[in-house]
Amino acid sequence: DTEVTQTPKHLVMGMTNKKSLKCEQHMGHRAMYWYKQKAKKPPELMFVYSYEKLSINESVPSRFSPECPNSSLLNLHLHALQPEDSALYLCASSQNQGPSYEQYFGPGTRLTVT
Amino acid sequence: GQQLNQSPQSMFIQEGEDVSMNCTSSSIFNTWLWYKQDPGEGPVLLIALYKAGELTSNGRLTAQFGITRKDSFLNISASIPSDVGIYFCAGHGKTSYDKVIFGPGTSLSVIP
Repeated sequence: DTEVTQTPKHLVMGMTNKKSLKCEQHMGHRAMYWYKQKAKKPPELMFVYSYEKLSINESVPSRFSPECPNSSLLNLHLHALQPEDSALYLCASSQNQGPSYEQYFGPGTRLTVT
Repeated sequence: GQQLNQSPQSMFIQEGEDVSMNCTSSSIFNTWLWYKQDPGEGPVLLIALYKAGELTSNGRLTAQFGITRKDSFLNISASIPSDVGIYFCAGHGKTSYDKVIFGPGTSLSVIP
């Protein structure tokens, strides 16, 4: 089973709201990722967690705050977002971090900031 | 920085035709990945390639890791309507701290 689940599927939030995106995998993978994807563009890496520790932060604004409570879960906390943050947010996981391990993506959360 | 180019950008083909698309880079990659994405969904991994020269098949799909490690191609044989979508190539450098770089995608439309 190569399933990564994400909730919610859709989210609409105002610029003053606080919300969270959730991602879960039960494949025993030790690396998890957040990507942002705008329409008709490829996914852009935001964060990488390896063994529950933040490994890569691609200079993402602090209004996005990742959290990895355990090896199966990855959250993305959102606060004071801007309309240009509207996008498809994708979670992915791989057995470990590195070139020998392929990444499996979840279905994404479609975020609209009003 | 590292960048991938994909061609063609888009293609329209008749059902039953074979499809070929490729991905090139000025940088060397250790891993090549091919993903398909349907509208509103996450990318689905089709094929992963780990060695230069490697040729791998997955059903009607065949992909190759270029000898120079700077390119890869994906072929789809006997296309069907459900092949419609955006195909992304992705490359991974040699260290754990290299990120996966995605190409801009090839949009495939299949005419029944």
